[in-house]
Amino acid sequence: NAGVMQNPRHLVRRRGQEARLRCSPMKGHSHVYWYRQLPEEGLKFMVYLQKENIIDESGMPKERFSAEFPKEGPSILRIQQVVRGDSAAYFCASSGRNTEAFFGQGTRLTVV
Amino acid sequence: GQQLNQSPQSMFIQEGEDVSMNCTSSSIFNTWLWYKQEPGEGPVLLIALYKAGELTSNGRLTAQFGITRKDSFLNISASIPSDVGIYFCAGLSSNTGKLIFGQGTTLQVKP
Repeated sequence: NAGVMQNPRHLVRRRGQEARLRCSPMKGHSHVYWYRQLPEEGLKFMVYLQKENIIDESGMPKERFSAEFPKEGPSILRIQQVVRGDSAAYFCASSGRNTEAFFGQGTRLTVV
Repeated sequence: GQQLNQSPQSMFIQEGEDVSMNCTSSSIFNTWLWYKQEPGEGPVLLIALYKAGELTSNGRLTAQFGITRKDSFLNISASIPSDVGIYFCAGLSSNTGKLIFGQGTTLQVKP
């Protein structure tokens, strides 16, 4: 999974603050997926994006969560007005068209 | 929506034993992927399968893409302690582009 860069690795936010999670895909990859993982649980799909387009956001909460993948720069997962229940590990993966996906190391968000 | 059922949920085995886990789906996938995740890390791709019936090996790991395109299995032969982790299957639909994961199989190996 070398090549997919997520930052920060760890993020602490107080309730009500905003969290911004960044994901730089592997070179040449134009597809990005975001997943959320709670301790001892699996990977829950959140959103699938291609450059400048949200393809499927069926796993995103209706409020406070948004994602983008601009033409230039990393993909951003934004969580506004964080609550304790948002604490989790957030992983992104990138792929080419219909090819295998590679994951980043994740961002561990802690809301205090 | 699309779902993957992965089993078993967990396994506790003796070092040297072989391991088998599988994933089934009600939907057809064009690509099956198997990942391993260790504590505090992101999932690492182990094997990718692109054709129905395909059997692919990576060292002691062997995976197969089911003929119906609705299932896949992963075998680990002669397990060692460093095989410990959570193994996830994932299906990629070429129609939607969505990558769906199974619930994971937690493997523990007793030396």
